[in-house]
Amino acid sequence: GAGVSQSPSNKVTEKGKDVELRCDPISGHTALYWYRQSLGQGLEFLIYFQGNSAPDKSGLPSDRFSAERTGGSVSTLTIQRTQQEDSAVYLCASSKKGGANSPLHFGNGTRLTVT
Amino acid sequence: GQSLEQPSEVTAVEGAIVQINCTYQTSGFYGLSWYQQHDGGAPTFLSYNGLDGLEETGRFSSFLSRSDSYGYLLLQELQMKDSASYFCAVRDPARLTGGGNKLTFGTGTQLKVEL
Repeated sequence: GAGVSQSPSNKVTEKGKDVELRCDPISGHTALYWYRQSLGQGLEFLIYFQGNSAPDKSGLPSDRFSAERTGGSVSTLTIQRTQQEDSAVYLCASSKKGGANSPLHFGNGTRLTVT
Repeated sequence: GQSLEQPSEVTAVEGAIVQINCTYQTSGFYGLSWYQQHDGGAPTFLSYNGLDGLEETGRFSSFLSRSDSYGYLLLQELQMKDSASYFCAVRDPARLTGGGNKLTFGTGTQLKVEL
């Protein structure tokens, strides 16, 4: 079946502009996650959704970052007034449920470059 | 909080066996997972250990010792396509009961398989 889909795959934006990144999780997966990965680095947790609610937003780096999820499906990560340090690959993942042994299925990510 | 340590880089020859270690420090424990990520690709789930011992999946095995806060990923009969980054990851128990489900990743081990 279809995997996690993210769009756009690449985004180049000017410093100070707002960007929206989209994630379509696997159908039926109730849990959705956003991570950020800088070049050659590990995965930095941003936010977790269970259904439409976000019980854990602890990884959002600043109030310029926000995310929402509608219909228990599609999620959008918005970055306002982008800065050069926001440049990274933004990865979305979903899982069937949020249990400890429920594997995450990742999308291919959105590569964001802020010039 | 959580912290995980892995070697940054491991090199091995095709056909050999390689072990990638992971030590962790957590305030609680809900299992150790392993993910593989090829350059430019999405992380993919490899294995999960919730209890002590060895889990085997084809050429890959994963081991956990909760008393030592230690685990490893064992790759046998190495192939060139195994060249990738490997991440260990743990759940954040402080968030589980509150409805959160943050998965914390190590910084990753880059495996290079040579002829």
